Amino acid sequence: EIVLTQSPGTLSLSPGERATLSCRASQSVSSSYLAWYQQKPGQAPRLLIYGASSRATGIPDRFSGSGSGTDFTLTISRLEPEDFAVYYCQQYGSSRPLTFGGGTKVEIK
Amino acid sequence: EVQLVQSGAEVKKPGESLKISCKGSGYSFTSYWIGWVRQMPGKGLEWMGIIYPGDSDTRYSPSFQGQVTISADKSISTAYLQWSSLKASDTAMYYCARLDYGLDYWGQGTLVTVSS
Repeated sequence: EIVLTQSPGTLSLSPGERATLSCRASQSVSSSYLAWYQQKPGQAPRLLIYGASSRATGIPDRFSGSGSGTDFTLTISRLEPEDFAVYYCQQYGSSRPLTFGGGTKVEIK
Repeated sequence: EVQLVQSGAEVKKPGESLKISCKGSGYSFTSYWIGWVRQMPGKGLEWMGIIYPGDSDTRYSPSFQGQVTISADKSISTAYLQWSSLKASDTAMYYCARLDYGLDYWGQGTLVTVSS
């Protein structure tokens, strides 16, 4: 099973700032199968990024994903008030089981 | 419009059985994997397992193998998650989600509370 480690656990930033979230895998993940999700309190998660760098339908372009192998990054170029939430990475490769990272909380500073 | 609609909240006692559901609509239910995700109170997302309704191929996370059963009835476009004997530690929100390029559509969640 691939273990995904997200860092930092909490990111304290102000609106308008840039957020950089990291996801490190215990073994190489095909870039085609790395996704990022956003979850707000009381809501189901929402797909942001799939294939490491492709934005899901309706996701603003301030969200971008990058990386390959074992190191992946989610960047939010300029934080909007609605972006303060918890973010999870996930690998969904052909070799099941799928796994999630532990999450990064982006909070208002 | 693609939708996954889950059954309502449940309150159960330890040792009881439970089956929750996830009904898909707006797409070909038999052509996409459906996964189940647990979220314990205040905690992160945990992958439980996945089923392909087209042929009922099912895969479990090692952490949940033997603890739950995932099934599907393609005639009514519904996937299920069931327990034969609930424990207090099964108290959580459970989500179903469709797997395409990532988990692109999610159910609204089913809150399961297990308490004596």
